[in-house]
Amino acid sequence: GAGVSQTPSNKVTEKGKYVELRCDPISGHTALYWYRQSLGQGPEFLIYFQGTGAADDSGLPNDRFFAVRPEGSVSTLKIQRTERGDSAVYLCASSDGGAGEQFFGPGTRLTVL
Amino acid sequence: GQQVMQIPQYQHVQEGEDFTTYCNSSTTLSNIQWYKQRPGGHPVFLIQLVKSGEVKKQKRLTFQFGEAKKNSSLHITATQTTDVGTYFCAGHQAGTALIFGKGTTLSVSS
Repeated sequence: GAGVSQTPSNKVTEKGKYVELRCDPISGHTALYWYRQSLGQGPEFLIYFQGTGAADDSGLPNDRFFAVRPEGSVSTLKIQRTERGDSAVYLCASSDGGAGEQFFGPGTRLTVL
Repeated sequence: GQQVMQIPQYQHVQEGEDFTTYCNSSTTLSNIQWYKQRPGGHPVFLIQLVKSGEVKKQKRLTFQFGEAKKNSSLHITATQTTDVGTYFCAGHQAGTALIFGKGTTLSVSS
């Protein structure tokens, strides 16, 4: 079956611009996670949704970052006033429960010039 | 806050040699997961350990969870070139997000 998909695969933007990154989880998975991965680092937790609600957004670095999952399926990560330090691979993962195996998407590579 | 540390950061072995990576948490974990990320790829789940002292095997891979549920290890016997990649441990405290270590990058020469 289809895995987790993310679009776009690459995004290049200029400092100060707004970007949206999309995640399509595995059908039926209630839990959805966003991570950020910089070169040589492990995935850094950003936010976790259970259904439509954000169960844990403690990893969002500041108020420029926001994520939604209005219908409990697709999620969008929104970054306002992008900064060069936001450049990273943004990974989305989904699972069918809270604490089990997470299935990762291929990621969106964001480059802020 | 909770931290998960992994050593070594890099390991190079000759094909056929064994490999071990170690993971330590600053706090007691409810479970620990291991993921593998190939170069240019995304993390792929390998296993989850839940019980104190648990040992699980997957072919040439052996995973252990410490008695205190604060440390874990992954051992690969007789490495192959297909084992190349970065191995991450990730720890769960009850009710908290999964926290990943920085990973151990394994390279294998034939």
